Order: sequence, then C-alpha cells, then structure tokens
Amino acid sequence: EAGVAQSPRYKIIEKRQSVAFWCNPISGHATLYWYQQILGQGPKLLIQFQNNGVVDDSQLPKDRFSAERLKGVDSTLKIQPAKLEDSAVYLCASSPNRDGTQYFGPGTRLTVL
Amino acid sequence: EDKVVQSPLSLVVHEGDTVTLNCSYEVTNFRSLLWYKQEKKAPTFLFMLTSSGIEKKSGRLSSILDKKELFSILNITATQTGDSAVYLCAAYGGSNYKLTFGKGTLLTVNP
Repeated sequence: EAGVAQSPRYKIIEKRQSVAFWCNPISGHATLYWYQQILGQGPKLLIQFQNNGVVDDSQLPKDRFSAERLKGVDSTLKIQPAKLEDSAVYLCASSPNRDGTQYFGPGTRLTVL
Repeated sequence: EDKVVQSPLSLVVHEGDTVTLNCSYEVTNFRSLLWYKQEKKAPTFLFMLTSSGIEKKSGRLSSILDKKELFSILNITATQTGDSAVYLCAAYGGSNYKLTFGKGTLLTVNP
C-alpha cells in the first residue's frame, strides 16, 4: 500500500513570497490533515478535512494560509505572503476513520529567508 | 485548551539501558492516546491506547495508559542506537476529534 505522498520535500523562499505544498493521501482515506512542525516542537494541526469539507481550521492563520482538498482526494496548502516564522516542516497525514490513527507523509521543509 | 506534556524533553542513555518516557494530558472528549517515533522524517505510528491498565507491547517497546491520572508511559528495554529518535505523544479528542501533540522526548542512545 502506497503511503502519503508530499511534494516538494524542500523549499527555500524569501519573505513575502508565496509557496504551495501538495499532498496525496493514502487511497480511500477520508480524513486529511495538515500540520506545522516548528523545530523542537510537536506537530500543530492547521486544518482537517473530511472528504472535501473542512472539519477544523481553528489554528490556520487565515490571513496568509489557505488550503483546499480537490474532489476529496489531493490537497494543497498555500502560504501567501510568507513570513520568517513560517519556517517549519509541513506534514500531511491521512486517516481511514476517526479513531485517532493517522499516517504521515515525509513532510515539506520550508525555509523562509 | 487541550494540552499534552511530555517529560523528559531529552534523554541520553547507553545501549542496553531501559528508559521510561512520560506523557500527561488534558483533553476534552478524550478518546485515545497515541505514541509516535520520529526520526529525521515523518512520525511513524507505535501504539494507540484506549483502555486504562492494559499494556500494549511490541518487541522491546511497551506502553500503558492511566485514564484516572491522565498519563501514559512508554518503556523501551535493552535500548539500541537505532532507538535514537524523538518520541511523540498525542491525545486524540477535543471538539473536532483531533490529535494534540506534546513537544516530544529526544532520546539519544550511545554505543
């Protein structure tokens, strides 16, 4: 079974630029999550999708971050404009049900200069 | 606000030692407690605990949950250098059934 796919793996941009990340969850997983993990911290949930609907985006900085899940499968997370404090690893995870078990992708390491 | 606290934040041991990692939580609508191992990549799933007092075991790793005292421990016996990683604890629950992670424990196992 293929795992969660993410791209790109690394991205370096300057502040005020925009960036987008892509995630393809495990086939058949209805729930998709985007997390931000700052160095030395645990992952922080940004947004949770159930199929193509948003379940929780309470911690998403909506003035600069946006996310969508196309047709309930792939998802993109965008930052525009980026700030220095957005430097982090962005993890995508998916889950087949709502028991808590989540499967993580390899992440995208973003550096904002 | 939902909260998960892990201790210690870092730990250095020698191969063969036994370690105990701690996790306490305060989460509304608590459903389960999960442990993940994170090397220089994505977290990989170790255990999910839903019932108090029932130990889950996988090789040299074991974990137990105490729902009365709101904590969990992860034990690793006969540690190996390959056990070096960050161990993340996460509580599943909250108003929208989400994972709240602790900061993790950085375990370093020296040969």
